[in-house]
Amino acid sequence: EPEVTQTPSHQVTQMGQEVILRCVPISNHLYFYWYRQILGQKVEFLVSFYNNEISEKSEIFDDQFSVERPDGSNFTLKIRSTKLEDSAMYFCASSLVRANTGELFFGEGSRLTVL
Amino acid sequence: DAKTTQPPSMDCAEGRAANLPCNHSTISGNEYVYWYRQIHSQGPQYIIHGLKNNETNEMASLIITEDRKSSTLILPHATLRDTAVYYCIVPPYTGNQFYFGTGTSLTVIP
Repeated sequence: EPEVTQTPSHQVTQMGQEVILRCVPISNHLYFYWYRQILGQKVEFLVSFYNNEISEKSEIFDDQFSVERPDGSNFTLKIRSTKLEDSAMYFCASSLVRANTGELFFGEGSRLTVL
Repeated sequence: DAKTTQPPSMDCAEGRAANLPCNHSTISGNEYVYWYRQIHSQGPQYIIHGLKNNETNEMASLIITEDRKSSTLILPHATLRDTAVYYCIVPPYTGNQFYFGTGTSLTVIP
């Protein structure tokens, strides 16, 4: 069964460093998403991406965050200058149709620890 | 988003049916009801969705009331592996965002 894959599974970084989290969505999917989950808290929407541009973003997704689909297969989330509060599990998801009409497929997540 | 309300936690005996309720009284006519679950810290997993009619798949059944203001997810024979947080979500018809609430933490007891 096709799946969304994410790398790395765990990354430890120093505060202020740049981090890139990578995702390979399901190959025929058109919509892509990033979510984060701080330990013990709910899953929070960050951004959705369609047709090579951001379609929706939350208040969390500020100028420190960016997303890119550089080569037609990968979908990346960049955090420019990490803060302690960016420590979380980051989930990538993809869907064939818009989120409100079909299923989102999630990856297993990338755990980011900022020291 | 149409606001959803779920009980924070529930228990269910192994082998029995788990019935998870959700209120979504502000749902509009063209908005779907979705159910996802998250087992421990894994990625959320789609379970089922519906608009008006009751739906069933290999994982669960979804019962939507006639006025669509509430729904119930039914896991017919709960197993220990069904212990998870279950999310009822009603995404807005326009746009492309999909927000998770706090869900119901279901514990299946041996």
